[in-house]
Amino acid sequence: DIQLTQSPSFLSASVGDRVTITCRASQGINTYLAWYQQKPGKAPKLLIYGASTLQSGVPSRFSGSGSGTEFTLTISSLQPEDFATYYCQQLENYLTFTFGPGTKVDVK
Amino acid sequence: EVQLVASGGGLVQPGGSRRLSCAASGFTVSSNYMTWVRQTPGKGLEYVSIIYSAGSTYYADSVRGRFTISRDNSKNTLYLQMNTLRVEDTAVYYCARAWVPVDSYKVEGFDIWGQGTLVTVSS
Repeated sequence: DIQLTQSPSFLSASVGDRVTITCRASQGINTYLAWYQQKPGKAPKLLIYGASTLQSGVPSRFSGSGSGTEFTLTISSLQPEDFATYYCQQLENYLTFTFGPGTKVDVK
Repeated sequence: EVQLVASGGGLVQPGGSRRLSCAASGFTVSSNYMTWVRQTPGKGLEYVSIIYSAGSTYYADSVRGRFTISRDNSKNTLYLQMNTLRVEDTAVYYCARAWVPVDSYKVEGFDIWGQGTLVTVSS
């Protein structure tokens, strides 16, 4: 099975900061990686698919990059509504669709 | 409006059964790939099951043989039948659409999510 790790697990940041989250896969997944944002009590929201394609309606301050086993999600200038938990998900293996353990972005 | 509305959660004793429902509007369940994802309180997301438009189904190892995913095309509704429930099945269960963009042949993400329904397995 493909395993995903995320770093850091927790991140304290201020409004306006540039934030980068890393997701690593245990084996190559090409660019079959998605990023989600989840706020407390809410369902996850798809932000990025194909490792770097912004989902419709998602602000351009979000960007994704990477291929193979290492991926990054970057928020260029953190906004108040961006404090949330972020998950990566691999879609290379259609039998498992594994999620990463999450990165919580909190107020510094 | 495109949306999914999940229901059916509640308190169940270990070894018991529960059926979750997920009513879709704004799109057709049977023409899409539909999934269930769960989230343990305070923890991360776990993919549970998928049903493809052709009807084939797949399950996570943790639920295979106990859970069954299905759909009712006339009601445009997705289901998850959960049997032999365990304490560790306690979670918020989300239904979601596994999205295949028009220019792709693979699922690229889960783009429409229900609001989640809490299943608590406890004696």
